[in-house]
Amino acid sequence: AQSVTQLGSHVSVSEGALVLLRCNYSSSVPPYLFWYVQYPNQGLQLLLKYTSAATLVKGINGFEAEFKKSETSFHLTKPSAHMSDAAEYFCAVSGLNTGFQKLVFGTGTRLLVSP
Amino acid sequence: SQTIHQWPATLVQPVGSPLSLECTVEGTSNPNLYWYRQAAGRGLQLLFYSIGIDQISSEVPQNLSASRPQDRQFILSSKKLLLSDSGFYLCACLGGVATEAFFGQGTRLTVV
Repeated sequence: AQSVTQLGSHVSVSEGALVLLRCNYSSSVPPYLFWYVQYPNQGLQLLLKYTSAATLVKGINGFEAEFKKSETSFHLTKPSAHMSDAAEYFCAVSGLNTGFQKLVFGTGTRLLVSP
Repeated sequence: SQTIHQWPATLVQPVGSPLSLECTVEGTSNPNLYWYRQAAGRGLQLLFYSIGIDQISSEVPQNLSASRPQDRQFILSSKKLLLSDSGFYLCACLGGVATEAFFGQGTRLTVV
């Protein structure tokens, strides 16, 4: 079975600072990994996804994530935070489970950006 | 790409009343469909998934049920709501293992 762990329910950064949101996964099969962003009272929007191609994945809004199999990690980064990045971020893992694709989410990390 | 329509956006219901949330999908056929619930300060909990018409699986025993009467329609229901059913409900669609999920805008349900 797949699972993800997101370390830190809240992360606070200053505008212009590096953003680092942590995600570790567990999967018995090669995983597909995703990062989603959620703005208040909205659905989730895909930021980026890893599907066994390049280990460094670039997404929208300047975000990127690196798949590290040895560390079972898929941390999300952005070199310079912007006020508009304040939102909740979810890491997710996907894989076939008894013939059905199951998408499992972490508990989320709320990113706070201060001026 | 797929578009997920979900309604209503917000709903306030008394304890013991019935519930029906509807989700429809555009832009794809025979999708895998999902209902998630997001409680305040918590992650997304998978409630139900469906791989086809009338094929529903439940992840967590609870006060809710789901139905899929048409290929691109997924309904979440309850006969009698509990206070603990309050939350943000999201419908999602996946087209394949390596593809991302597309989400509706969600329904904020408050049971009073």
